[in-house]
Amino acid sequence: GAVVSQHPSWVICKSGTSVKIECRSLDFQATTMFWYRQFPKQSLMLMATSNEGSKATYEQGVEKDKFLINHASLTLSTLTVTSAHPEDSSFYICSARLMTDTQYFGPGTRLTVL
Amino acid sequence: EDQVTQSPEALRLQEGESSSLNCSYTVSGLRGLFWYRQDPGKGPEFLFTLYSAGEEKEKERLKATLTKKESFLHITAPKPEDSATYLCAVQAPPFGTASKLTFGTGTRLQVTL
Repeated sequence: GAVVSQHPSWVICKSGTSVKIECRSLDFQATTMFWYRQFPKQSLMLMATSNEGSKATYEQGVEKDKFLINHASLTLSTLTVTSAHPEDSSFYICSARLMTDTQYFGPGTRLTVL
Repeated sequence: EDQVTQSPEALRLQEGESSSLNCSYTVSGLRGLFWYRQDPGKGPEFLFTLYSAGEEKEKERLKATLTKKESFLHITAPKPEDSATYLCAVQAPPFGTASKLTFGTGTRLQVTL
């Protein structure tokens, strides 16, 4: 149980375009979802916390206008990287939380901006 | 500020050579300590949650323990498939929907034949 999926698993885009990443909890309803970013050989950096039906809470230093988060249902959250630039290239991982406080992670999305 | 420190940074073991990974933490009030396993290019896989000092949990060759200042992940007779990065994270106030995890930098484990 507690399966989280992400789509796409990898994406390559041109500089200036926008990219949307989907995160789904497949076998449970998640009131809270999280978006992380991970650079090579580094740990996870929390970008934002997303609660269903309300605005996301962004961590300090994360541009909310650049990383748009929508959590429209209890099983789906999306992250849109707007006007992507090469420095946005990274590994993006979402997680979904059950009421027991355990976060279950998706497989991640590798974004490469050319 | 909550802090999580993992050691060693990297560990190389031979198959069957048992060892322990350390996670030291400083938090204002521990809500839970989590262990995850992460394979290259994949998201973290949940292993254990520990809530109070003295608690222990086991899964196959892995055993996690918790004290008031640190947690250990003991690996007994490891196999090559145990090779991965092991991440420790703590959950502290604020509780409820605003709570979040603070991660350590992980221990990269390599088990060789």
